[in-house]
Amino acid sequence: ETGVTQTPRHLVMGMTNKKSLKCEQHLGHNAMYWYKQSAKKPLELMFVYSLEERVENNSVPSRFSPECPNSSHLFLHLHTLQPEDSALYLCASSQETRLAGNTIYFGEGSWLTVV
Amino acid sequence: AQTVTQSQPEMSVQEAETVTLSCTYDTSENNYYLFWYKQPPSRQMILVIRQEAYKQQNATENRFSVNFQKAAKSFSLKISDSQLGDTAMYFCAFLPGGSQGNLIFGKGTKLSVKP
Repeated sequence: ETGVTQTPRHLVMGMTNKKSLKCEQHLGHNAMYWYKQSAKKPLELMFVYSLEERVENNSVPSRFSPECPNSSHLFLHLHTLQPEDSALYLCASSQETRLAGNTIYFGEGSWLTVV
Repeated sequence: AQTVTQSQPEMSVQEAETVTLSCTYDTSENNYYLFWYKQPPSRQMILVIRQEAYKQQNATENRFSVNFQKAAKSFSLKISDSQLGDTAMYFCAFLPGGSQGNLIFGKGTKLSVKP
């Protein structure tokens, strides 16, 4: 059983839909992340939350909107996506972003297909 | 810009044999961290091993060990006594010192362990 759980595992949505991905970590960490893994690119960091505040946004389009209501939960709200947004979205957590080198632990990912 | 290069898209090894996966990286920093992650068909990204750049001693974790050559910016992974369960994508990742979770991943090596 993973310490970072993601739901749903698979999602198919139309370009006009609004949906959300959910992540929950059971490791007592205080930093959470969204990464994107697409077929032709290396894994890319999208968002970082530390102590429930967003500390990094790597030029991600506004059609992706993160939310971190507490240190254990992270959401990624999706609206008016494009087919090229189809990818595996991985949630991750670590103990503290400001301490260099803390290991990042990943969930199993949510497969998103935009049709 | 920091980059991570995995020059072997695919490799195969016989069960119980030893295999080495290559990774090189490019950085001007002196303080950083290196990781190998494994991604089996379940898609969860699982930490295999980590290395702090300031440590000269190579990290080991059971059947997994690394050959860290800082001057050459090389970080290879050796898997001894390969098992069928080792079949997966293996990603080398670089974390700059003081970075807020911005792991930089290589494109991965697909390892197949054959019975």
